This record gives sequence, C-alpha cells and structure tokens, in this order.
Amino acid sequence: DAKTTQPTSMDCAEGRAANLPCNHSTISGNEYVYWYRQIHSQGPQYIIHGLKNNETNEMASLIITEDRKSSTLILPHATLRDTAVYYCIVRFSSGSARQLTFGSGTQLTVLP
Amino acid sequence: NAGVTQTPKFQVLKTGQSMTLQCAQDMNHEYMSWYRQDPGMGLRLIHYSVGAGITDQGEVPNGYNVSRSTTEDFPLRLLSAAPSQTSVYFCASSKLAGGGNEQYFGPGTRLTVT
Repeated sequence: DAKTTQPTSMDCAEGRAANLPCNHSTISGNEYVYWYRQIHSQGPQYIIHGLKNNETNEMASLIITEDRKSSTLILPHATLRDTAVYYCIVRFSSGSARQLTFGSGTQLTVLP
Repeated sequence: NAGVTQTPKFQVLKTGQSMTLQCAQDMNHEYMSWYRQDPGMGLRLIHYSVGAGITDQGEVPNGYNVSRSTTEDFPLRLLSAAPSQTSVYFCASSKLAGGGNEQYFGPGTRLTVT
C-alpha cells in the first residue's frame, strides 16, 4: 500500500470547515483513498473513501486531485465532537487487502 | 444492528495466564480482523479471516491464536500472557476483504498484563 503523509496537528474553529490534507504521491491506479478517525481511544470510525472522483456523504467530502497524488478531507461545519485523530490510508482495490496501515494521522482540535 | 461488539472492555492478567478476547458482528461480514494499538502508535494487524474456517497471520501474530467457526464470531486467544501484550485490542469487520470495502471497528478491549 502507498505511503501517506499528513500534518501532525491542526486546529479549527467550531462551525468552520476543517480541511485536512494528505499526500500520497506514490499511489497507484487501483488504490483507494480512505479516511478514518479515532476519537479519544475509541475504535477507529470510517468516514469516507474514493478512487478517482470526489465523494460526499453525510459526514464529509473527499477531494482527490486529478493526478491522485493528494487529497483533502473536508468537514463542512466542524463541531467539538469532531476533535479526533484523522487517518488517511490508501489500499489496493483487490487482493487479500490484509490490513489498513494506520500512520500517525492528524490530530484535529476543534476550538470553541 | 449492534455492529461489532467486543468483550470484555477491560482485563488485567498476570504473566503466564491465558484468556480469550471475544468479537462478534451481526452484519454478515465475511472479513474480520484483530489489531492492537500501543500508546501513541497506529494499529497493527494480528490475525485476520476472509471467511468462516479461514484465518491467516498479520503483522504481529506471535503469542496469539484465532479461529473462525462461524461468520459472526472471531475470538482472539492469548496463550501465555506477557507484559509486552499490554495494549488496546480492536476487532474489525468488513463485507469483503477487498480495498473497496470499509471496515467497522469495535470499541476495543484494554488489556494490562502484570
């Protein structure tokens, strides 16, 4: 699986959009981009994933650049409950897909 | 749906004791896995299963056994607990094993080995 690079930490004001970047310059054509978050030692929570196109669900939007070498997770109206560590992960679309490789992630702190 | 459930939530063991961490899912998912997370670190895969009767080793399998007799259950056995196994253990499941399938995680079991 391709390696990802994320900032160690970010702050965001409550009610504002939180934009979390991720670089995955060695991504291959059949690898998905996934985002998970982990709130205070709870189990990781799936947020969103995409392959080539931008994606949106009830939690967030995922913007993938045309060359697929980077992506941005957008939480449109951050709340205090969104404070968590956010992990950007890339995975092959087929095969055994043995694991999610969780790096260090980005600690997002939403400020009141 | 209850999703992925894990028991117990907390456990303290003495060195050399054995125990089983339970994991169950009610989503009819084929793929299940066990991770451990040490303080300040990411998750590391212990064992996984792509379906009932099929298991395989992950990144850190030593000291752990698994079995998958049903689709719903995937217990993790610690054979002889060691202090190095003090960690938080997460069970996860997904519909299929492929990369286009999101994984759902349980709440975790916090294990301390003294």
